[in-house]
Amino acid sequence: EAQVTQNPRYLITVTGKKLTVTCSQNMNHEYMSWYRQDPGLGLRQIYYSMNVEVTDKGDVPEGYKVSRKEKRNFPLILESPSPNQTSLYFCASSPIGGANVLTFGAGSRLTVL
Amino acid sequence: GEDVEQSLFLSVREGDSSVINCTYTDSSSTYLYWYKQEPGAGLQLLTYIFSNMDMKQDQRLTVLLNKKDKHLSLRIADTQTGDSAIYFCAERRNDYKLSFGAGTTVTVRA
Repeated sequence: EAQVTQNPRYLITVTGKKLTVTCSQNMNHEYMSWYRQDPGLGLRQIYYSMNVEVTDKGDVPEGYKVSRKEKRNFPLILESPSPNQTSLYFCASSPIGGANVLTFGAGSRLTVL
Repeated sequence: GEDVEQSLFLSVREGDSSVINCTYTDSSSTYLYWYKQEPGAGLQLLTYIFSNMDMKQDQRLTVLLNKKDKHLSLRIADTQTGDSAIYFCAERRNDYKLSFGAGTTVTVRA
């Protein structure tokens, strides 16, 4: 089944404890992206990648890092999480070209205490 | 996404039509999308429209695009309880960045 898989789905952590949210897609998509969803703000793009070793900042990149060493994986790294990073995170992927329809993961709910 | 605006809530009676409106600001946007998010799930594409089109119809869904006013709408005919969800409008600009609206929560009442 074509899908985007995120882990963990739920995580409660404490301020300053580094964490990584993994994202993997099995559709050979070039484009991958991370979003955070907050009430009343919709989805805001954190980082995106057009291909392996190519990453760019989205609208809210502060406090996050990403890497794209392989085409299928696009992990989101929070080096020193803070409470304002408590949010629902979505990874998505799409092919490049045409309508670029995004396939989304199921989401990762992160709480930083 | 601050560039895409949509109303936050819509309540509709079962069987009636729903209309969700969206405005965007980037006139160079190439594609505009409607995504649906059901509780506890990720977003799924409902439909999209290319910027050189005025209208697109897909079963119960009708998308209207007014490029002059930068206005996009989604009409759902014969709204059912399964249509209760959050609906996101999104625009894709030439740099492949997608901007999403805040989402419209649609509640279908019996």
